[in-house]
Formats: sequence, C-alpha cells, structure tokens
Amino acid sequence: GENVEQHPSTLSVQEGDSAVIKCTYSDSASNYFPWYKQELGKRPQLIIDIRSNVGEKKDQRIAVTLNKTAKHFSLHITETQPEDSAVYFCAASEFNKFYFGSGTKLNVKP
Amino acid sequence: GAVVSQHPSRVICKSGTSVKIECRSLDFQATTMFWYRQFPKKSLMLMATSNEGSKATYEQGVEKDKFLINHASLTLSTLTVTSAHPEDSSFYICSARYDGRSYNEQFFGPGTRLTVL
Repeated sequence: GENVEQHPSTLSVQEGDSAVIKCTYSDSASNYFPWYKQELGKRPQLIIDIRSNVGEKKDQRIAVTLNKTAKHFSLHITETQPEDSAVYFCAASEFNKFYFGSGTKLNVKP
Repeated sequence: GAVVSQHPSRVICKSGTSVKIECRSLDFQATTMFWYRQFPKKSLMLMATSNEGSKATYEQGVEKDKFLINHASLTLSTLTVTSAHPEDSSFYICSARYDGRSYNEQFFGPGTRLTVL
C-alpha cells in the first residue's frame, strides 16, 4: 500500500515568514495530492490540492509543488499569519483511498 | 454544498457495549464513504471504505467484526464499534466522495469523539 511521510512534525515561524512542509509518497500510481488543515477537535479542511499532471498550483498565499519523478510534494505558505496556526496533513490518493502523512503542527508567532 | 454530518459528536459508553456512529452526506450522493480513526495528536488512519449496497473493504489490521460498517443508502453510512473497550477510545471521522465528480476529493464530517470507560 501507499506510505506517506511528512516533515517536519512541528514548525514555528514568525508572523510574515514563509513555511514549507514536505511529503514523500511511495506508490507511483497515486495521482491526487490534497493538503488539509485541521484545528484542534475539528474536521480536516481542504486548503489546496494538486493532480499528478500538474507540477505546481497556487492559491493566494498557498502553493503546492509536485515532483512525480522523486515522488515528493510540498506545501508553501507565504506571509504567514497567526490564524495559519494549525496541524497540516498531506495525503496521497490512489483512486479512491487517501493515505495521510503524520501531520505538521505549525505555530505562527505574532 | 458538499456537507457531511456525523452523529453523535461525542459519546461515552461502558466497556462491553456497542456504539453506532452515523455519517451523512447532506446535499449530495455518496456511493463511497470512508472511515478514519485519529488518535490524539496523530494522523488520520484509514480504517475502511464503505460502499453503498455492498460490503465494506477494510484496511489491513482493522477487525471487520469489531468495526461493523453498513452503507444502506447513497447518503448514509454507519460505523458500529462492537463490544467497545477503552482502547477503542478515539476520534472517528468519516468522509464522503462526491458522486459524479471526476476527481478524488473527499469531504469530511466533523468527527465523533468516543470514550469507553
């Protein structure tokens, strides 16, 4: 099955700085890579996703890059704000199933 | 659109009892739903894929007789934790795949916090 690894597990940045979270996956058949933000005790919320036929996607302060050859993808958040503080999960999807990374707790210090 | 609800949001039960959790897609049809388990400060672990009108498919290591899944309609899947024990205490989250959409996006429910005493 798919194995998704995510780094770092925790990340502290100063407000206004950028944050980068990286994930690797093992199954070359995976073709969809979403990123979720989860606040404590709440449901995961999709923040951005990318399909395997695209190398980069951007939505305002958030961007995702995908390197299919190396089987890794990254989340980039620019101009971080305190409300960006949460746990972020990457996932790799092979057809229907999602396999999640272990999560990154992002702390944005004001 | 694409709202998923779960009921109950929290449940406390005694060891040995069974607990049923409902997952509903409120404004779309979902032939396929998923059940995840999340331990505190940990990732979401896929437990099983729930298929409307057929048996659920379970991930390796998940006991199908322990976690009974029924997907009786296009908008409802239920997870029953049978003979619950304290180690079953966890946050259970369902998600639903939107029928008719060409991509894989899943919409998550708000989760159910199960505490087994």
